[in-house]
Amino acid sequence: DSGVTQTPKHLITATGQRVTLRCSPRSGDLSVYWYQQSLDQGLQFLIQYYNGEERAKGNILERFSAQQFPDLHSELNLSSLELGDSALYFCASSPHVLANTEAFFGQGTRLTVV
Amino acid sequence: GENVEQHPSTLSVQEGDSAVIKCTYSDSASNYFPWYKQELGKRPQLIIDIRSNVGEKKDQRIAVTLNKTAKHFSLHITETQPEDSAVYFCAANGASNTGKLIFGQGTTLQVKP
Repeated sequence: DSGVTQTPKHLITATGQRVTLRCSPRSGDLSVYWYQQSLDQGLQFLIQYYNGEERAKGNILERFSAQQFPDLHSELNLSSLELGDSALYFCASSPHVLANTEAFFGQGTRLTVV
Repeated sequence: GENVEQHPSTLSVQEGDSAVIKCTYSDSASNYFPWYKQELGKRPQLIIDIRSNVGEKKDQRIAVTLNKTAKHFSLHITETQPEDSAVYFCAANGASNTGKLIFGQGTTLQVKP
C-alpha cells in the first residue's frame, strides 16, 4: 500500500458525460500529480499541484481540469468525454515540489467511456 | 521538447539470465532518473533511482548506470526470476522547479522459468 488513495477504482460512463476522479495523497505529501495511461501507452504527465497551486502542466486537454484542496486532496475533472479518453488515470504524490525523490502512485482509476 | 526513449519494447529471457533495458533522454537539465516496475493491473512502483551526480547505483540484483554525456541510462537485472516479469518504465525529471516526470514507453519483460 503506497498510502495514496484513489476513488473510484472503476468508472464506466457514456460519451459526452463528465466525471470526477479523486485522490488523497500520502500523509505529509504536498505535491500531487496526475498521469494518464492508455492501452499500450506509457505514463503521460497531465498536471502537478503543490500545496494547492498548479505547478506544472503536461499535455492536458482543455476538457480536463484539476484542483487541489486545502486538505491536499485533489480531483481531476474530465468533461465531454470521448471514447479515446478511456484509460487508467493514476495519481501520485511526493513530499516536495521537485522531482528528485520517489513519487508514490495510487492504484489508479480505470475509466471506460462507452 | 522533453522526451525519453526506451528500448526494447519487449524482452524475453530465461530464468537466471540478465536483462538490460536502455533509455535516452533529451533534456540535458534532467538530473533525476527513476525506474518503475508495473505488474499487470497494478500501480507503478519505484525499484531504483539515480541522480546525475553518480554514474552507477546497485541494489541487490538491480543496477542502474548513467552516462550524462551521451544522455543514456540503463537498468540491469541479474539472475532474473519469474517474479521479475512486469512492465518496466524509465523516467527523467522534466521542466525545472517542478515534479514533472517524463516516462519512457515501457519494456515488457518476460522471464521464462
